[in-house]
Amino acid sequence: AQSVSQHNHHVILSEAASLELGCNYSYGGTVNLFWYVQYPGQHLQLLLKYFSGDPLVKGIKGFEAEFIKSKFSFNLRKPSVQWSDTAEYFCAVNAATSGSRLTFGEGTQLTVNP
Amino acid sequence: GAVVSQHPSWVICKSGTSVKIECRSLDFQATTMFWYRQFPKQSLMLMATSNEGSKATYEQGVEKDKFLINHASLTLSTLTVTSAHPEDSSFYICSARLAGGRYTEAFFGQGTRLTVV
Repeated sequence: AQSVSQHNHHVILSEAASLELGCNYSYGGTVNLFWYVQYPGQHLQLLLKYFSGDPLVKGIKGFEAEFIKSKFSFNLRKPSVQWSDTAEYFCAVNAATSGSRLTFGEGTQLTVNP
Repeated sequence: GAVVSQHPSWVICKSGTSVKIECRSLDFQATTMFWYRQFPKQSLMLMATSNEGSKATYEQGVEKDKFLINHASLTLSTLTVTSAHPEDSSFYICSARLAGGRYTEAFFGQGTRLTVV
């Protein structure tokens, strides 16, 4: 079974700082990778996804993520964060053999101070 | 994007009673819906996968007699927590996947906060 690990549980940054959130998964086969964001009091929203092709994927709100197959990683990045980026971020993996099932990481709470 | 709506958003019930949570895909048909449980400060844990017209597939450790799932139509799945107890208090989230052959994006409901007193 696949598993997903997010290294940082709580990240605190000042506005305009750069962001990188780590995500590693354990599964040797073909995967689809996702980052979701959950703003306070709101539902999960998809930030970006990787199915195949260019390993550097761009999502909404200036976020991007890079799939490094050799490292089993899919880290999320943003060059300059804003106060409105304060939220919980979840990495998720869908393994090709698991049908539609998504496995989520533990989540990272990002707090951006103005 | 597609919209998934859960109802109710929050519910308080007495211990021993049953609670039904609805998950609707508002503008698309969903052959597959998923039910998750999220504890405070923790990730989403998949409880079960619900396919329209067939029995749900439960994850290991999830009591299917306690968490009854019905997916009677392509736009509605329900989760009934039977004989609820305080330890069932949690945040329940559903997601629905667009009908299609290959993997397609899943859209999430806003969640239901269940408190059992």
